[in-house]
Amino acid sequence: GENVEQHPSTLSVQEGDSAVIKCTYSDSASNYFPWYKQELGKGPQLIIDIRSNVGEKKDQRIAVTLNKTAKHFSLHITETQPEDSAVYFCAAATDKLIFGTGTRLQVFP
Amino acid sequence: DTEVTQTPKHLVMGMTNKKSLKCEQHMGHRAMYWYKQKAKKPPELMFVYSYEKLSINESVPSRFSPECPNSSLLNLHLHALQPEDSALYLCASSQIYPDPYEQYFGPGTRLTVT
Repeated sequence: GENVEQHPSTLSVQEGDSAVIKCTYSDSASNYFPWYKQELGKGPQLIIDIRSNVGEKKDQRIAVTLNKTAKHFSLHITETQPEDSAVYFCAAATDKLIFGTGTRLQVFP
Repeated sequence: DTEVTQTPKHLVMGMTNKKSLKCEQHMGHRAMYWYKQKAKKPPELMFVYSYEKLSINESVPSRFSPECPNSSLLNLHLHALQPEDSALYLCASSQIYPDPYEQYFGPGTRLTVT
């Protein structure tokens, strides 16, 4: 079955810096790659996603890149703000979402 | 509107109790999901309903019993739970299953089993 690895497990950045979270997946049949942000006490919130026929997608300060050959995808957050602090999960899917282990992002003012 | 609602927000139950978790969406989605999330871990899939029929049961113990009364509602009936079942229970929905469309999560029910 699919296995998704996510790094780093924790990430601390200064406000205004960029943050990058990386994931690798094992199943070449996976064709959908969403990213979720989970704040304390809340459910995961879909922030951006990418499908296997696209290499990059951007939405304001966040972007996702996908390298199908290497089976890895990354989340890029630019101009980070304290409200970006949360746990971020990547996932890979054919029919089911398989989540990575999560990255705790802390943005210090 | 991408809102999934869940009730109750918090639930404390004894091991002999029977309780139910409820989930509702009004996005016209035909797939609904139950996930379990332990602290500092990712969500784990429990059940998938597609067009009100159970499509996936991820080998979940029978003390968890899902029900999908209609396309907008999803219930999870709980009976004779164990302390290790304490977790955040998340409901999600998507347009259809198994095509991997966007899944939207509710805020979850924090369950404590005493």
